[in-house]
Amino acid sequence: KQEVTQIPAALSVPEGENLVLNCSFTDSAIYNLQWFRQDPGKGLTSLLLIQSSQREQTSGRLNASLDKSSGRSTLYIAASQPGDSATYLCAPFNTGNQFYFGTGTSLTVIP
Amino acid sequence: DAGVIQSPRHEVTEMGQEVTLRCKPISGHNSLFWYRQTMMRGLELLIYFNNNVPIDDSGMPEDRFSAKMPNASFSTLKIQPSEPRDSAVYFCASSETGPVEKLFFGSGTQLSVL
Repeated sequence: KQEVTQIPAALSVPEGENLVLNCSFTDSAIYNLQWFRQDPGKGLTSLLLIQSSQREQTSGRLNASLDKSSGRSTLYIAASQPGDSATYLCAPFNTGNQFYFGTGTSLTVIP
Repeated sequence: DAGVIQSPRHEVTEMGQEVTLRCKPISGHNSLFWYRQTMMRGLELLIYFNNNVPIDDSGMPEDRFSAKMPNASFSTLKIQPSEPRDSAVYFCASSETGPVEKLFFGSGTQLSVL
């Protein structure tokens, strides 16, 4: 079974900083990987989906990279804002026919 | 589009009672997923449907759990009888064609079994 680890579990940064969230997974035979954002009391919102053949995917201030062979992905957030405060989860999709979710990184951006 | 709609948002019930959670996927989406989220175990896939047919229910924890999708616009997750350890947030999600696609989540149902 795919095991997904996200480090750090929590992160607090001042507004304007660039930051990196890390995700590692044990089974590198993945089709793709999604990064999600979850706000308190809400569902998950898909931020980026990166295919196994891609190295990175960008959306606005977000950039996700994927190193499939080493079982790692990073989410880079540029010029962080208080509105970025949320929990970020990564979820690789592999031959188990489902997404396996990490436990997330709780991000707080301080104004 | 209104997105994935779940009801109720909150459910408080007593142990032994039947609980039914409801989900309306995004119109035109062919795949529907039920997830459970707890602090201890994170997000777990319970079951997923493709074209209204259950494809993988290996995540359903026990026979007390059952799910149906009678048509493309409605699904239910039923727990009978409910137990305190079923307390969790239950999410429904949908995608256009299958489990490998981008997932769209509902706001979830917070279930508390006393």
